[in-house]
Amino acid sequence: GESVGLHLPTLSVQEGDNSIINCAYSNSASDYFIWYKQESGKGPQFIIDIRSNMDKRQGQRVTVLLNKTVKHLSLQIAATQPGDSAVYFCAEGGSSGGYNKLIFGAGTRLAVHP
Amino acid sequence: GAVVSQHPSRVICKSGTSVKIECRSLDFQATTMFWYRQFPKKSLMLMATSNEGSKATYEQGVEKDKFLINHASLTLSTLTVTSAHPEDSSFYICSGNGRYGDTQYFGPGTRLTVL
Repeated sequence: GESVGLHLPTLSVQEGDNSIINCAYSNSASDYFIWYKQESGKGPQFIIDIRSNMDKRQGQRVTVLLNKTVKHLSLQIAATQPGDSAVYFCAEGGSSGGYNKLIFGAGTRLAVHP
Repeated sequence: GAVVSQHPSRVICKSGTSVKIECRSLDFQATTMFWYRQFPKKSLMLMATSNEGSKATYEQGVEKDKFLINHASLTLSTLTVTSAHPEDSSFYICSGNGRYGDTQYFGPGTRLTVL
């Protein structure tokens, strides 16, 4: 079946360092991927997305990399700040569920230490 | 842009009562809205997909008679948990599709506690 998973359930980094959160997906037909940030007690917040015709996309302090060969997605956060502490979810779409439906990974908790 | 609100943010109810949760897209029209459930330290589990003016499509294992969804307009969807039981206690989150139909923007969630 379809699955989207994460390699590391918890990531601890020092403030100012760069963070890399990884995600593996199993459905090669997926062609749309999103990263969300969820703080405790809140709804997921859109961070950045990427389509399968790209392998890299940059935002403000964030970069998403897509490797379709090994079905791997990563989120890089530059100069990580305490406010980046949250759970990060990757999600895939555009496959059997259509563009509307997203399948979420298990999540990675990012803990930023001063 | 792409702001979604939910009301209430928290609700406590007695077992056997029904609870309605509202989801509104404030600055965009969401032709499709989604309802998710999230348990502590877990990922989001899609419950149902609703399109404006039509019946919701429920995911396997989700009781449609227990979780009533109404999507009356392009900016409002409601989830009613009927005859709530303690096991229905959870964090319920809605989302709406943005302008281009694939990115989902989420509401802040509703914490339901059934006593």
